[in-house]
Amino acid sequence: AQTVTQSQPEMSVQEAETVTLSCTYDTSESDYYLFWYKQPPSRQMILVIRQEAYKQQNATENRFSVNFQKAAKSFSLKISDSQLGDAAMYFCAYRRATDSWGKLQFGAGTQVVVTP
Amino acid sequence: NAGVTQTPKFQVLKTGQSMTLQCAQDMNHEYMSWYRQDPGMGLRLIHYSVGAGITDQGEVPNGYNVSRSTTEDFPLRLLSAAPSQTSVYFCASSPRPGLGYTFGSGTRLTVV
Repeated sequence: AQTVTQSQPEMSVQEAETVTLSCTYDTSESDYYLFWYKQPPSRQMILVIRQEAYKQQNATENRFSVNFQKAAKSFSLKISDSQLGDAAMYFCAYRRATDSWGKLQFGAGTQVVVTP
Repeated sequence: NAGVTQTPKFQVLKTGQSMTLQCAQDMNHEYMSWYRQDPGMGLRLIHYSVGAGITDQGEVPNGYNVSRSTTEDFPLRLLSAAPSQTSVYFCASSPRPGLGYTFGSGTRLTVV
């Protein structure tokens, strides 16, 4: 069974600063996908970034980037130049590539607080 | 383009009542899933489907039923509501799971 662990229940960051959220996962698979989702107070789940395990290059989406360390089974999210709108719960998620059912497994989440 | 539509947004049920949470998507996605979100536990998979007529159980299926008669709709039925089913429920869809899922806006359900 795979498990996804987010060890930081809450992280605080000042506007314009950088914050890094950690995520580790447990798997025996070599081909899989990793995702970061953002859930603002509106409750909507928004896909922030995705990473394919076979791609060595770390994914980047504007101010969001990941540090994917496959051997360490680590997938951290860096938010640069933090904005008040980045305040949200962030979830890390895993999906095994060979799973034809497409099941996602989520971590418990990290609450990001942005202070002016 | 509505995406994934969930109804209702809020619901209060009495213990023992049954109800159906509706989910519809207009993106012709084959993959659809139902999750429940509880504090400190992330999202847990209830049921999922890879196309019309094909469903299976997820991590926490007890007390829930699903069917998928069309590509667009994937309703979740609570057979006999219990307080332990108080949660926020999300429906999600994807054309290919490697691309990630598009989520609905959720249903907050309270069972008293």
